[in-house]
Amino acid sequence: EIVLTQSPASLSLSPGDRATLSCRATQSIGIYLAWFQQKPGQAPRLLIYDASNRATGIPLRFSGSGSGTDFTLTISSLDPEDSALYYCQQRLHWPLTFGQGTRLDI
Amino acid sequence: EVYLLESGGGLVQPGGSQRLSCAASGFTFSACTMTWVRQAPGKAPEWVSSLSGSSIISRDSGTFYADSVKGRFTISRDNSRNTLYLQMTSLRADDTAVYYCVRARERTNGLFDYWGQGALVTVSS
Repeated sequence: EIVLTQSPASLSLSPGDRATLSCRATQSIGIYLAWFQQKPGQAPRLLIYDASNRATGIPLRFSGSGSGTDFTLTISSLDPEDSALYYCQQRLHWPLTFGQGTRLDI
Repeated sequence: EVYLLESGGGLVQPGGSQRLSCAASGFTFSACTMTWVRQAPGKAPEWVSSLSGSSIISRDSGTFYADSVKGRFTISRDNSRNTLYLQMTSLRADDTAVYYCVRARERTNGLFDYWGQGALVTVSS
């Protein structure tokens, strides 16, 4: 099973700051990594797929990078509405797995 | 617009059974791999089971389960009704979670682009 480790566990920043979230896989997953945002009481929402592709309707301030085992979600110029939990997920190997999450407070 | 609506959640006793349904609309249901993902309170999402759609060419059945539910849960679909199911048996307290019905983009098994609002299953006596 591929384990995804996210860091940091939590992050507190100010509006307008830049956030950098990390996800590391225990073996190479190519580019097959997605990032999700989840707010309280809501389902996860797809932000980034295949490491660097923004999903439909996602603002330009969200960007993803990486390949192999190390991936990064960057949120430039934070908005208070970006306060949420962020999860990474790999789709290369069964079982499909999620990271444990990073809590971002603005 | 893609729409996924889960139903069938509720309170069930340990050892009991429950069936979840997911009514889908707004896309070619039969083509897409459909998945159940669950999330226990305060925990990360956990993949449960997937059933491949017709857009996936596969030499196997196209049915996949997490080890934690294998032998207890059964995923199925009725493409004529655009509905996905999850039959859960021998339920345990650690199966308590919100269960999400999730669509994978066509020609992928795990690119989760649309999620339902979730159905809460509570296993407790």
